[in-house]
Amino acid sequence: QKEVEQNSGPLSVPEGAIASLNCTYSDRGSQSFFWYRQYSGKSPELIMFIYSNGDKEDGRFTAQLNKASQYVSLLIRDSQPSDSATYLCAGNGSGNTGKLIFGQGTTLQVKP
Amino acid sequence: DVKVTQSSRYLVKRTGEKVFLECVQDMDHENMFWYRQDPGLGLRLIYFSYDVKMKEKGDIPEGYSVSREKKERFSLILESASTNQTSMYLCASSLSAAGGGDEQFFGPGTRLTVL
Repeated sequence: QKEVEQNSGPLSVPEGAIASLNCTYSDRGSQSFFWYRQYSGKSPELIMFIYSNGDKEDGRFTAQLNKASQYVSLLIRDSQPSDSATYLCAGNGSGNTGKLIFGQGTTLQVKP
Repeated sequence: DVKVTQSSRYLVKRTGEKVFLECVQDMDHENMFWYRQDPGLGLRLIYFSYDVKMKEKGDIPEGYSVSREKKERFSLILESASTNQTSMYLCASSLSAAGGGDEQFFGPGTRLTVL
């Protein structure tokens, strides 16, 4: 079974801190990885994607990919209460199927 | 911006009814997907379509069928609704795996309750 694993949390951080969300994957053929944010009762919203090893920064968000260790992470700097949501990690798996394999999501709580 | 719309935000149906959920995307995407999302079970793929009239079963296709007569529209059909199909249904679209566009864009979701 090709999987993407995330700790369900909740991960609780104080406002202004760095939140670190982690994800591991089992399919070595995966090339593309995505982070989605999902507020309670809403649909997932794409916030970042990463294809290459290393870091990719976009504002307060940094995605990190390490293909040798098969992990992906999302760092949120200067966390705000509005960042409180569930974060879904997804990988494209191997075989160019067009499908994504989603993790179960990590719930982040940012406390004022 | 990609826009994916779904026909209803909330729907209440009775057991045994035939239910149609419609999804439309406006970005000429090749791929369209139907998921359901339940607490503790994450996103589960029901069906996906990679071209007009082409479809492939996902992880949980039982009790569902789909239709894609036009590129922009993908319908999910519950042939005979049952209470265990009460869920949040999410439609998504993506450009094309061949084109490198794997990122999926989601509609707002339909919360279906079957009584």
